Amino acid sequence: GAVVSQHPSWVICKSGTSVKIECRSLDFQATTMFWYRQFPKQSLMLMATSNEGSKATYEQGVEKDKFLINHASLTLSTLTVTSAHPEDSSFYICSASPREGLRETQYFGPGTRLLVL
Amino acid sequence: AQSVAQPEDQVNVAEGNPLTVKCTYSVSGNPYLFWYVQYPNRGLQFLLKYITGDNLVKGSYGFEAEFNKSQTSFHLKKPSALVSDSALYFCAVRDSNSGYALNFGKGTSLLVTP
Repeated sequence: GAVVSQHPSWVICKSGTSVKIECRSLDFQATTMFWYRQFPKQSLMLMATSNEGSKATYEQGVEKDKFLINHASLTLSTLTVTSAHPEDSSFYICSASPREGLRETQYFGPGTRLLVL
Repeated sequence: AQSVAQPEDQVNVAEGNPLTVKCTYSVSGNPYLFWYVQYPNRGLQFLLKYITGDNLVKGSYGFEAEFNKSQTSFHLKKPSALVSDSALYFCAVRDSNSGYALNFGKGTSLLVTP
């Protein structure tokens, strides 16, 4: 149980294009989903927290117009990297906290590797 | 404010020997503590957590961790290491007074040699 999927697993795009990454909780409903960014050999940096049906809360230094987050349902959150540039290349990981039961535990997706050329 | 420190970038252990990966934390309220493992190019897998109760927490794959309030530590341990345990380990903390967001340590690379 507590499986989180991400799609796509990797994506290569041209500079200036937009990329959408999906995060789904497959066997539970998630009140809250989180988006992280991880640079090579570094820790996870929280980008934003999204709650179903409300606007995402962004961490300091994260551009909300650059990284659009939508949490339309209890099982799906999307991160759109708009007008991507090479410096946006990174490993993006989402996590989800169950609506019921083990709410304090976050379950992570497998990550999406983005390369912007 | 909350933070977590993993003082070791890398830990090397021979297969069959016990392993310890260190973690210390700082929170203003009560700590919720977690350990996650990450294999190359993969997301994080949940190993174990401490919320309340017994200080010794047992988790997946034979791992355990001991919550020590006086030393503000939550070290990850395993009695007998396997080569397959080689991976990147992250300690994370959440303050009971804050939201659900986790603050991660920088990670410790564990290498278990045959």
